[in-house]
Amino acid sequence: GAVVSQHPSWVICKSGTSVKIECRSLDFQATTMFWYRQFPKQSLMLMATSNEGSKATYEQGVEKDKFLINHASLTLSTLTVTSAHPEDSSFYICSAPSGSSYEQYFGPGTRLTVT
Amino acid sequence: GNSVTQMEGPVTLSEEAFLTINCTYTATGYPSLFWYVQYPGEGLQLLLKATKADDKGSNKGFEATYRKETTSFHLEKGSVQVSDSAVYFCALSPNDYKLSFGAGTTVTVRA
Repeated sequence: GAVVSQHPSWVICKSGTSVKIECRSLDFQATTMFWYRQFPKQSLMLMATSNEGSKATYEQGVEKDKFLINHASLTLSTLTVTSAHPEDSSFYICSAPSGSSYEQYFGPGTRLTVT
Repeated sequence: GNSVTQMEGPVTLSEEAFLTINCTYTATGYPSLFWYVQYPGEGLQLLLKATKADDKGSNKGFEATYRKETTSFHLEKGSVQVSDSAVYFCALSPNDYKLSFGAGTTVTVRA
């Protein structure tokens, strides 16, 4: 099946700094990717839809200037957490549609810890 | 709006026991329904899906039937194995690729 990778798998950064997370579709092209956030023992919450060649669309309550999304190519989307704070610590997961029946391929996730 | 309510865990079972995880949903129209599984240290994987009422999704011995009259999509497996230990997520899509997830149910199967 199709593979989606994320890099890094975990990152620790200091409060006030920015961190970039990459999401790549390894063997297929994805004009759309999705970014989710998962809190411990909780469900995944959709943050935004990343669109190749156009601006990302954000879900209600997600700060656009805080979580910058760039869909640089048909196989790469990046999420940059700007001026990170401890409350941004979470597990960030990306996905890309498979092209059929609205199912998705998910990346393994990135654990962000802000100290 | 769309929402998914999933049976809370954790669930601990012995090998060969019967597993049921309840899932109900709220949505307008006719969403597609999914069960995703997250094994330890891995990303979410699609377990099974159903796209219309009365459809039954099945995979790896797991089954779930799309019941529109009860707005449910319960997951079942007749005889679990230790390798089934994972977190299971019920999800729906209103047919636009955006997924709404349930809270997830952690299942642990003991040998």
